[in-house]
Amino acid sequence: QVQLQESGPGLVKPSETLSLTCTVSGASINGYYWTWIRQSPDKGVEWIGYIYYSGATNYSPSLKSRVTISIDTSKNHFSLNLSSVTAADTAVYYCAGGVNRSGPWRDWGQGTLVTVSS
Amino acid sequence: EIVLTQSPATLSLSPGERATLSCRASQSVGSYLVWYQQKPGQAPRLLIYDASARATGIPARFSGSGSGTDFTLTISSLEPEDFAVYYCQQRNDWPLTFGGGTKVEI
Repeated sequence: QVQLQESGPGLVKPSETLSLTCTVSGASINGYYWTWIRQSPDKGVEWIGYIYYSGATNYSPSLKSRVTISIDTSKNHFSLNLSSVTAADTAVYYCAGGVNRSGPWRDWGQGTLVTVSS
Repeated sequence: EIVLTQSPATLSLSPGERATLSCRASQSVGSYLVWYQQKPGQAPRLLIYDASARATGIPARFSGSGSGTDFTLTISSLEPEDFAVYYCQQRNDWPLTFGGGTKVEI
């Protein structure tokens, strides 16, 4: 059974970079698409972007200028960097994986709350 | 981007009753519509994909229908564990988008 686990700071200061890692266990990271999604009361559920094991990426246009998703196949994990954060980036961040780049996503991490505050 | 509008926002029902949830897209998404269930403190759980295909392990009381811009998730007879928030997601066009959710409450 595939398990995903997000990790990273729960508190980030405004204007700094939010960095999260999703570690995949129970399956190889190779051959799948890996996605970041976030959820907040204000914006609801929002797709951030995905990375393929080859390194190909696709990002939401609304976040594209600030987002980088990377992958480390040797460590079986992938990462999210979101720069120049503001309070509007406060959300629960989920990682998810699947065989299709656009979902559906059967496998999800438990989610991690990231608060942007000084 | 494609906007998904879910209705009603809240559905108040009793166990054993039938639940009918709607998801309307601002433009056609073909059959590329997904339904998730989310309980407090948990990640969304995949229920239905491509409008009507049940995900592995999902009970038969959950069914999906529709195509184009109008979709429906039906729960034929509510079990206590079905009270949750339900989201639709379109995977036909970029960026991928989600609906605002329908809360099914007792």
